[in-house]
Amino acid sequence: GENVEQHPSTLSVQEGDSAVIKCTYSDSASNYFPWYKQELGKGPQLIIDIRSNVGEKKDQRIAVTLNKTAKHFSLHITETQPEDSAVYFCAASTSNFGNEKLTFGTGTRLTIIP
Amino acid sequence: SQTIHQWPATLVQPVGSPLSLECTVEGTSNPNLYWYRQAAGRGLQLLFYSVGIGQISSEVPQNLSASRPQDRQFILSSKKLLLSDSGFYLCAWRGRRDGNTIYFGEGSWLTVV
Repeated sequence: GENVEQHPSTLSVQEGDSAVIKCTYSDSASNYFPWYKQELGKGPQLIIDIRSNVGEKKDQRIAVTLNKTAKHFSLHITETQPEDSAVYFCAASTSNFGNEKLTFGTGTRLTIIP
Repeated sequence: SQTIHQWPATLVQPVGSPLSLECTVEGTSNPNLYWYRQAAGRGLQLLFYSVGIGQISSEVPQNLSASRPQDRQFILSSKKLLLSDSGFYLCAWRGRRDGNTIYFGEGSWLTVV
């Protein structure tokens, strides 16, 4: 089955600086890669996703890059703000419609230092 | 718009007692439904998923079971809780028209004492 590794497990960044979180996956058939943000005591919220036919996607201060050859993808947050502090999860899945299962990384606790 | 409701939000149960967590989705029909568990400081582990009424797939052997009595209702149960069942339980759904995107509920904290 799919195995997703995520690094680092914790990350502290000065407010205004950029943060980068990296994930690798094992199943070359995986073609959908979402990123979730989880605040304390709440369910994960989707913040951005990318499909395997795209190398990069950007949404305001958040961007995701995908390298299918190397089987890794990364989340980039620019101009970080205190509200970016949370746990971030990457995930991977194959587009098997009707039998969709996400495999998650172990999470990165991001702390923005004011 | 679609919404997902999960309850109770917090639960403290003694070892050996039963469990019932409920989840309902509104604003969509025939969704895929999921139960995930998140141990403290850990990632999300898929427990069960369902592609339709009465259709349940289990991902890991465990003390828990799931049922889907109605199209948009998903229930997580146990007859006798273990200490190791403690954790944060998340219900999630995926719409038939939303591609791969999975949306999570707010979660239920279960503490078995």
